[in-house]
Amino acid sequence: QKEVEQNSGPLSVPEGAIASLNCTYSDRVSQSFFWYRQYSGKSPELIMSIYSNGDKEDGRFTAQLNKASQYVSLLIRDSQPSDSATYLCAVTLGGGGSYIPTFGRGTSLIVHP
Amino acid sequence: GAVVSQHPSWVICKSGTSVKIECRSLDFQATTMFWYRQFPKQSLMLMATSNEGSKATYEQGVEKDKFLINHASLTLSTLTVTSAHPEDSSFYICSATSSGGAGETQYFGPGTRLLVL
Repeated sequence: QKEVEQNSGPLSVPEGAIASLNCTYSDRVSQSFFWYRQYSGKSPELIMSIYSNGDKEDGRFTAQLNKASQYVSLLIRDSQPSDSATYLCAVTLGGGGSYIPTFGRGTSLIVHP
Repeated sequence: GAVVSQHPSWVICKSGTSVKIECRSLDFQATTMFWYRQFPKQSLMLMATSNEGSKATYEQGVEKDKFLINHASLTLSTLTVTSAHPEDSSFYICSATSSGGAGETQYFGPGTRLLVL
């Protein structure tokens, strides 16, 4: 049973701070990792994907992957109230394995002014 | 790019009727489409995976005779909720991936809210 674990939160940070969201996964052979943002009442939208160990930056977002420790994280710099949403971590085996994603339950982020 | 649409966005129906929801990939060919259901304040629940031209694979506990999925082309998948009941009221979301290779990304449609009276 593949599992993806996230702290449900809510994680509350002040505007301008760094928000750090974490995700751990159980299947060691997982190869593809995704972060989605879901606003209340809306469908998920892709923020970032990461496949290799290390950091990947895109604007205010940085994804970090550590396959040895089986965790992936998302950092949001200069957090804004508009970043308040639920952040979903998704993991797939990829590379000839299954492309069916396993989603975490999501972490609720609240950025307060 | 990578836009997925769903129609309708909202549907209200009487108990016992059937409802069809369409999911389209607008600018890419989707070899695989996924159907999810999400109840208020709960996580996404994968219902089924469909590949173009073949039967859908349903997750455990999802009734295949109640939730009919057709993936007739590389850009269109439909979900039909047959004999809908109030407990089927939920937010139904589809997603699509393009063909092949490691690291396929899912692109989600905007979702369809179903209310069964």
